[in-house]
Amino acid sequence: DGGITQSPKYLFRKEGQNVTLSCEQNLNHDAMYWYRQDPGQGLRLIYYSQIVNDFQKGDIAEGYSVSREKKESFPLTVTSAQKNPTAFYLCASRGAGGIGNQPQHFGDGTRLSIL
Amino acid sequence: EDQVTQSPEALRLQEGESSSLNCSYTVSGLRGLFWYRQDPGKGPEFLFTLYSAGEEKEKERLKATLTKKESFLHITAPKPEDSATYLCAVQGGSQGNLIFGKGTKLSVKP
Repeated sequence: DGGITQSPKYLFRKEGQNVTLSCEQNLNHDAMYWYRQDPGQGLRLIYYSQIVNDFQKGDIAEGYSVSREKKESFPLTVTSAQKNPTAFYLCASRGAGGIGNQPQHFGDGTRLSIL
Repeated sequence: EDQVTQSPEALRLQEGESSSLNCSYTVSGLRGLFWYRQDPGKGPEFLFTLYSAGEEKEKERLKATLTKKESFLHITAPKPEDSATYLCAVQGGSQGNLIFGKGTKLSVKP
């Protein structure tokens, strides 16, 4: 089945540690996105990529980094510079077809907590 | 600044009690308004896209409508399995980026 796979489902970070969240899609979508979801808040955009080897900062990129070496993969690294990393992280992808009005489809998230 | 406000924050219904969720938006040049359903611990599941005022979309017990300032998600004769958080998002730019509201948490009791 086509879809978006995020792993791991749960992740724990120690102080000063970088951690990487995986996002893989087999939908042949060009665009991919990372969001952060906190209780009582809407989804906030961290980074997005419209094409391989290119990505842009979203609204809350500080303390995060990404890469887009393959169309199928868009990993997110939460660095030690991110002082409040505890959140639910969601990856999404969107196909082409019309200029930007195709829906984004989401994976089932990674919940990151601090040890 | 693009903005999305959803109300109410939470809604409790009895099974079969119809109601509506509201999504008010401010966006420069609406390219699409999206409704999603999110179950606890899961990612949002796409429901509908609306593009222009007057448009309506239906799926089972759900019906979404759009005006120039807001969208409504009407739930007719809801069942307990309709319990979830419903998210509204708008897209106003060419990049495909979405602005999300905070959601409405719907609980349907049998």
